[in-house]
Amino acid sequence: QVQLVESGGGVVQPGGSLRLSCEASGFTFSTYGMFWVRQGPGKGLEWVAVNSFEGSKKFYSDSVKGRFTISRDNSKNTLHLQMDSLRPEDTALYYCARAYCNENACTDALDLWGQGTMVTVSS
Amino acid sequence: SYELTQPPSVSVSPGQTARITCSGDALPTLYVHWYRQRPGQAPVLLIYKDNERPSGIPERFSGSTSGTTATLTMHAVQAEDEADYYCQSADNSGTYVFGTGTKVSVL
Repeated sequence: QVQLVESGGGVVQPGGSLRLSCEASGFTFSTYGMFWVRQGPGKGLEWVAVNSFEGSKKFYSDSVKGRFTISRDNSKNTLHLQMDSLRPEDTALYYCARAYCNENACTDALDLWGQGTMVTVSS
Repeated sequence: SYELTQPPSVSVSPGQTARITCSGDALPTLYVHWYRQRPGQAPVLLIYKDNERPSGIPERFSGSTSGTTATLTMHAVQAEDEADYYCQSADNSGTYVFGTGTKVSVL
């Protein structure tokens, strides 16, 4: 079954750290760019970070740059997001998502999403 | 970075056509993708690269662009189309942006 399953969310105090994981199954993980996207309570979607298929290219939104680190382990079909110096405004449902690729090429669209893991930053 | 602006809400009657716009100064040089998000669910890709449909997406969903505005059109709207809709784009510096989102109400 083609799916993404996130884990690692929870409640953390401001300034704390959390590490999210996303386990992929049913497809060749190592050939897809992977993303983290978040959604605050009652808010819209916000792109957080992207990692290229082989892991060398990483890009971050301005709101998390310098605090969050995206990484992947292609041998374990797993994507991670290390979140440090957390702030209350980081409170959100964090989704893992896959770049859309067809027989021709990969795109900047996201075609497979997990169900998300909730992160709450509060004292 | 850049911004993508959508109308907060669109109302449509069942069987009619709904159009959702996405505006941004950078759009003439970027592809736009569209997603539907039903309450409590993850987003679903509806349209990629302005006007392409992934397999499994009905033909009544279509996308178009003109200058700084992209449009998602939904024909023969059904009750199940009531959801939030987001546009999304990416530039060549590795920056991805989602639109502000549009809530579609089927009245």
